[in-house]
Amino acid sequence: EAQVTQNPRYLITVTGKKLTVTCSQNMNHEYMSWYRQDPGLGLRQIYYSMNVEVTDKGDVPEGYKVSRKEKRNFPLILESPSPNQTSLYFCASSLRFEPNTEAFFGQGTRLTVV
Amino acid sequence: AQSVSQHNHHVILSEAASLELGCNYSYGGTVNLFWYVQYPGQHLQLLLKYFSGDPLVKGIKGFEAEFIKSKFSFNLRKPSVQWSDTAEYFCASDNDYKLSFGAGTTVTVRA
Repeated sequence: EAQVTQNPRYLITVTGKKLTVTCSQNMNHEYMSWYRQDPGLGLRQIYYSMNVEVTDKGDVPEGYKVSRKEKRNFPLILESPSPNQTSLYFCASSLRFEPNTEAFFGQGTRLTVV
Repeated sequence: AQSVSQHNHHVILSEAASLELGCNYSYGGTVNLFWYVQYPGQHLQLLLKYFSGDPLVKGIKGFEAEFIKSKFSFNLRKPSVQWSDTAEYFCASDNDYKLSFGAGTTVTVRA
């Protein structure tokens, strides 16, 4: 089944403790991205990747890192999480970033930083 | 940069009522527009998309949207909603290698 898989689905952590949220897609997609969803703000892009070893900042990259060593994986790293990073995070992928290509989203990761 | 705005934050209606959700985009050039739906506890799913051609776009689950260039609008419609349409709906456009989302509209359908 074609899908985008995120882990974990739920995470509670303490301020400053490094964490990684994994994202994997099995559709051989080139383009992957991370969004955070906050009430009243919709989804905002954190980082994106056009292909392996090619990543760039989105609208809200501060406090986050990503890597794209393999085509299928695009982990999101919070080196020193803070309470303002409490949010719902979504990973998405698409074949390429161009018109008429649909984005597929993961199930989401609800992160709470205390 | 391209952006979209959604007018309604929360809509409550009864089953069989008609639904229309507003979406306006900011850019006057070539624009690609989408509506996504997020059912409770689930990930976003594409309802429909517009790139060019017929401005009336049909999507899944009986939804449609009309692209009106003169009004910079891409409103989502469904003639008769069901309880299962309870969800959050997002309008989005793509540009600068990202999807730009509106704030979302929560739709609650009462049986």
